Amino acid sequence: AQSVTQLGSHVSVSEGALVLLRCNYSSSVPPYLFWYVQYPNQGLQLLLKYTTGATLVKGINGFEAEFKKSETSFHLTKPSAHMSDAAEYFCAVSGYQAGTALIFGKGTTLSVSS
Amino acid sequence: DSGVTQTPKHLITATGQRVTLRCSPRSGDLSVYWYQQSLDQGLQFLIQYYNGEERAKGNILERFSAQQFPDLHSELNLSSLELGDSALYFCASSVDPGQFYEQYFGPGTRLTVT
Repeated sequence: AQSVTQLGSHVSVSEGALVLLRCNYSSSVPPYLFWYVQYPNQGLQLLLKYTTGATLVKGINGFEAEFKKSETSFHLTKPSAHMSDAAEYFCAVSGYQAGTALIFGKGTTLSVSS
Repeated sequence: DSGVTQTPKHLITATGQRVTLRCSPRSGDLSVYWYQQSLDQGLQFLIQYYNGEERAKGNILERFSAQQFPDLHSELNLSSLELGDSALYFCASSVDPGQFYEQYFGPGTRLTVT
């Protein structure tokens, strides 16, 4: 079975500060990992994904994440937060018993203050 | 705009009733997924279809059913509704059911059961 744990349901940063959202996964097979962002009253938008190859993955809006197999982690970072980054962020792993549905973490709400 | 459309945007109904949620995938996408987002359960996979055939089932209740039509749009039917079914229901689509293909999410249907 696969699972995702997002540490911290709410993270607050100041504008210009480093953003770090934590994600740990559990998987018995090589995982495919994703970060999605959800803005209020909107659907989910893919920020980035790790499938194979380079472990440092760059995504949209200046976000990046590093796959660390030894730590079973896939933390999301952004060097400098912007007010527009305020949203809910979901880490997900794909692979399911019979299909390829996404298994999501509980989500982390990012607040950015000026 | 992900290219995935969902109707209606909001739905308010009473306990015991039946509703149908509709999803049109992105042009060219053959795979459709349904997810439920609630405060207590988070984002959960319900069911997946690929080119008209059921591909995988997740935590879908027996009172819920879905189908994908020849034109690839999908419908999620929820019956004997309970208060606990109130949630945001997302449809997502991908070109292929493979693990590493990005899923594009629609804006969701917010269901309120009173």
